[in-house]
Amino acid sequence: KNEVEQSPQNLTAQEGEFITINCSYSVGISALHWLQQHPGGGIVSLFMLSSGKKKHGRLIATINIQEKHSSLHITASHPRDSAVYICAAASRAVNTGKLIFGQGTTLQVKP
Amino acid sequence: DTGVSQDPRHKITKRGQNVTFRCDPISEHNRLYWYRQTLGQGPEFLTYFQNEAQLEKSRLLSDRFSAERPKGSFSTLEIQRTEQGDSAMYLCASSRRGPSTDTQYFGPGTRLTVL
Repeated sequence: KNEVEQSPQNLTAQEGEFITINCSYSVGISALHWLQQHPGGGIVSLFMLSSGKKKHGRLIATINIQEKHSSLHITASHPRDSAVYICAAASRAVNTGKLIFGQGTTLQVKP
Repeated sequence: DTGVSQDPRHKITKRGQNVTFRCDPISEHNRLYWYRQTLGQGPEFLTYFQNEAQLEKSRLLSDRFSAERPKGSFSTLEIQRTEQGDSAMYLCASSRRGPSTDTQYFGPGTRLTVL
């Protein structure tokens, strides 16, 4: 079992739909990261959170430390949101900041 | 552009050849990470530098792999005697020293194809 698991692996939505991507982790964390990867490889950090909830534009990230679970929500989805979304855990056990990644969720938003 | 840069962006090589990749982190960042990503998977940690010191290496990093960060600025990742299983995207990321919760900034990656 991977230390960071995401679901679903693939997601297709119609433009305007509300989208949720889930992430569960089994390690103690100092922070949970949500990242976006477009075709061609570039990775961009969306959120880094250790408690509660963060919002940036149409994106919302939440985390429940007790349940070791995080969600990424996209409101009013748009075709330009199509990308791979990856959650990654920064382990509390080591103070290096290295990330343990989930396998990614491939999102396609159709017009 | 003051982001993380990687060179080359693409590398095609024949099995058995040596390859070297370079990463230039954001200038004030003293933490540097190398990750490897195969098709359809999330990245996997390879190694970590704080300044010039290599503080952690993954078990994925066999003795054919070596990484350096000689002056605490740019870093190189060398793969000797490449194998087809080494084909992957090699990603570099950097962050500021501080709590382990710092945001990591990723380079565009070097895509390696071993024929």
